[in-house]
Amino acid sequence: KNEVEQSPQNLTAQEGEFITINCSYSVGISALHWLQQHPGGGIVSLFMLSSGKKKHGRLIATINIQEKHSSLHITASHPRDSAVYICAVSPKKSSGDKLTFGTGTRLAVRP
Amino acid sequence: EAQVTQNPRYLITVTGKKLTVTCSQNMNHEYMSWYRQDPGLGLRQIYYSMNVEVTDKGDVPEGYKVSRKEKRNFPLILESPSPNQTSLYFCASRVRQNSNQPQHFGDGTRLSIL
Repeated sequence: KNEVEQSPQNLTAQEGEFITINCSYSVGISALHWLQQHPGGGIVSLFMLSSGKKKHGRLIATINIQEKHSSLHITASHPRDSAVYICAVSPKKSSGDKLTFGTGTRLAVRP
Repeated sequence: EAQVTQNPRYLITVTGKKLTVTCSQNMNHEYMSWYRQDPGLGLRQIYYSMNVEVTDKGDVPEGYKVSRKEKRNFPLILESPSPNQTSLYFCASRVRQNSNQPQHFGDGTRLSIL
C-alpha cells in the first residue's frame, strides 16, 4: 500500500462544477503539499499546509491531521483547471526533507 | 523572475552514451533535489543536496550521479544510461531543508534512452 493515496484517479467535470480531490496518507507528517501539473508543463506548488485550511482564489485546501486526510476543492471550475493534481507529504521521520508523492488525480473540465 | 531552469527539455539518446541534465536556480536556495516521474509510480526522489558539497541519495539513486559545486547548480549525470532510465525528470529547489516554504520545480526534462 502506498503511503499516499489519492482519489479519484481520474475526474471529468462540467465547467462551473464544484470539485473535490482527496488525499489520504499513512505516516506522521510535518506538512502536506498540493501540486498542479499541466500537460507538457512543469509542476507548480499550490498549497503547503500542516493544519486547518488555506484558500487561494477558487482553490481551497483542508487537512485533518487526526484522520490523516486532506482535500483540495475547486469552486466554479473552469477548463483551464484541467491538469493533474498531486498530493505529497513531508514525513516527520524522513531525512533529507524527502517528499512522498501520490500518483495524482487527472482532472478534465469540459466547457 | 524566480525560477528553476533545466536543460535540455527533451533528449533522445542511446544506451551507454554519458549525458548530463543541468539544473540552475536563481533564488539562492540551499536545498535542491532531483525527481523522476513514471506512469503509475508518481514522482520519486533520486538525489538531494542540502547545500554546496553536501549531497545524499533519495529513493532511486542507482545509475545516477550528482554534484553541487556551486549553490545555484545541481546537475544530474547519467554515466551509462539504460532504457529503464527513460523518464520525465524534475529538478526542484527550496530555501532550506524543512523550510515552511514550498519547493519550486523546473519545467521537466523528458529523456528517452534507446
